[in-house]
Amino acid sequence: AQKITQTQPGMFVQEKEAVTLDCTYDTSDQSYGLFWYKQPSSGEMIFLIYQGSYDEQNATEGRYSLNFQKARKSANLVISASQLGDSAMYFCAMRENRDDKIIFGKGTRLHILP
Amino acid sequence: NAGVTQTPKFRILKIGQSMTLQCTQDMNHNYMYWYRQDPGMGLKLIYYSVGAGITDKGEVPNGYNVSRSTTEDFPLRLELAAPSQTSVYFCASRPQLTGESKAFFGQGTRLTVV
Repeated sequence: AQKITQTQPGMFVQEKEAVTLDCTYDTSDQSYGLFWYKQPSSGEMIFLIYQGSYDEQNATEGRYSLNFQKARKSANLVISASQLGDSAMYFCAMRENRDDKIIFGKGTRLHILP
Repeated sequence: NAGVTQTPKFRILKIGQSMTLQCTQDMNHNYMYWYRQDPGMGLKLIYYSVGAGITDKGEVPNGYNVSRSTTEDFPLRLELAAPSQTSVYFCASRPQLTGESKAFFGQGTRLTVV
């Protein structure tokens, strides 16, 4: 069963607008972590933000925030004031602490329009 | 620190050949991972290791083997290469920490099987 679901294969957003990338996950583990990574056209994997399952506050890192809704098992990435350099693939990932695997979703390709 | 280093960066194999993708990290991380990324897709976990001498299967282990004789190295072996193994391969490592223990990725190896 797929554990990480990203339902938006692609998105087009106007520069300077905020954008939300969706991520839902499935786990029976009580202790887990959620990650977002960015993959620009160069192919490297860039860590953006982390949310632990026991964290009560939503994580924030600069223009990135993670909208964590535990009961709905969602971990959406919000990018405020988007920039042209934000055009990339974005991956949601989860680590279940019981086995330490890190599983990725299929990704969302974000295009920022000037 | 060099971080996670993968060699080679590119390789073309003929069907039936074998090869080893090298991965080494200099951060003394216990956890290491191998992923493959098919064009336009997410990362699929092949194998992972929680420490020297310990390896475990991921989502797509068939056709691959790994070993972890040292903390630093985690080579991935392809036996009898097939066109379906054409992909970009990423190695990653992370420290043995709870909480925000993000994975650090190598630059990837682009493998083509013809």
